[in-house]
Parts: sequence; C-alpha cells; structure tokens
Amino acid sequence: GAVVSQHPSWVICKSGTSVKIECRSLDFQATTMFWYRQFPKQSLMLMATSNEGSKATYEQGVEKDKFLINHASLTLSTLTVTSAHPEDSSFYICSADIQETQYFGPGTRLLVL
Amino acid sequence: TQLLEQSPQFLSIQEGENLTVYCNSSSVFSSLQWYRQEPGEGPVLLVTVVTGGEVKKLKRLTFQFGDARKDSSLHITAAQPGDTGLYLCAGAGGNTGKLIFGQGTTLQVKP
Repeated sequence: GAVVSQHPSWVICKSGTSVKIECRSLDFQATTMFWYRQFPKQSLMLMATSNEGSKATYEQGVEKDKFLINHASLTLSTLTVTSAHPEDSSFYICSADIQETQYFGPGTRLLVL
Repeated sequence: TQLLEQSPQFLSIQEGENLTVYCNSSSVFSSLQWYRQEPGEGPVLLVTVVTGGEVKKLKRLTFQFGDARKDSSLHITAAQPGDTGLYLCAGAGGNTGKLIFGQGTTLQVKP
C-alpha cells in the first residue's frame, strides 16, 4: 500500500516552455500532497503544500506564479513549471501524507535547455 | 523555526563495519521518519518512530527515538554495499503535515 506515482519520470524542454508534472496516489486518497525540489547529494527542499480543493500553500521564496499547483482530486496533484529556464532544472519529488507519514513518488528529472 | 541537525553528512566505510547516523533537534517531534534514497529515485520510508524511547529494528538497521522525542539515531550493523545511499531523517511536529528534514547522510559502503 501507500504507492505514489509521478509522471513523467524525466523531461527535457526548451527555455520558455511550460512543463506539467503529475503526482498520483495509487491506492489511497490524499487530501494533502507536498512538492519538493532536490539538488544533487542534498536533502529535500519543500516548495509547497498542495491541498485538495483549495489553494496551495507556498514556502517562502517560492514563486507561486512560476510553480503552479493544482490538486483537483483526492488522488492527483499537478505541478506546472511555467516559462521554464535552465535554473529550474532539478529533481522534483512529490509526496502524499497519511497520518503524519509521507510517501514519496519516484521523482521527475527536469532539464531545461 | 524547527531544525533537525543530521550527522555525519558523508560516510565512507568498508563492508562489514558498523555505523551510526544521528539526528538532533531542540524541538519536540510527534513522530520521526527515516528514509533511504538511491540516485534518481524518490525516498523510500524505512521506519516511523512515535514513542519516546522507542527502538525499532529492521534486519541490520536499528532505529531509536530519544526519550524526549527531540533526537533519533540509525545504527547499521555489518554494513553491506547494498546499504549505499542517502539516508534522511524527517520530523513531524505541527498540524500542517509538513516534515522537517535533516541535511541527509550520504553513505558509501565499499566491498
């Protein structure tokens, strides 16, 4: 149980385009999902909390107009990186919360050329 | 602001050696999780500890939650090359559901 999937697993895009990443809880419902960014050999950096049916809560320093989050159902949250630039290249990971324990997706590697 | 100090950040040992990773905080956590992450993959949950003083064992891995629920440790006995990876501790403390992550420990076990 507690399986979280992400799609795509990796994506390469041109600078200025937008990229959408999906996060799904496969065998449970999640009212709360989280989006993280991770740089090589570093810990996870929380970007935002995604709440089903309401607006996401962004961490300080994260541009909400740059990283659009939608949590339209209890099993799906999406992160859209708008007008991506090379500095947005990173490993993006989502998680879903069950009773204070988070279960993580496999991550999405984004490379912006 | 809650912080979780994890140490050491890097560890390179020979197969068969023992090691301990520590996570310390001045804050109290309602629970603490340990994750292991391999390159290019998401973190995988190893254990959740909830009760102060709790000890959990997972094969060669022993996890301990401090009596005051402010610190935790992960001890690996007779490390194997398959234990290589990034180990992350994360504490839960507020009603937001957010986790506070340690800096991570990159473990390399050489055959």
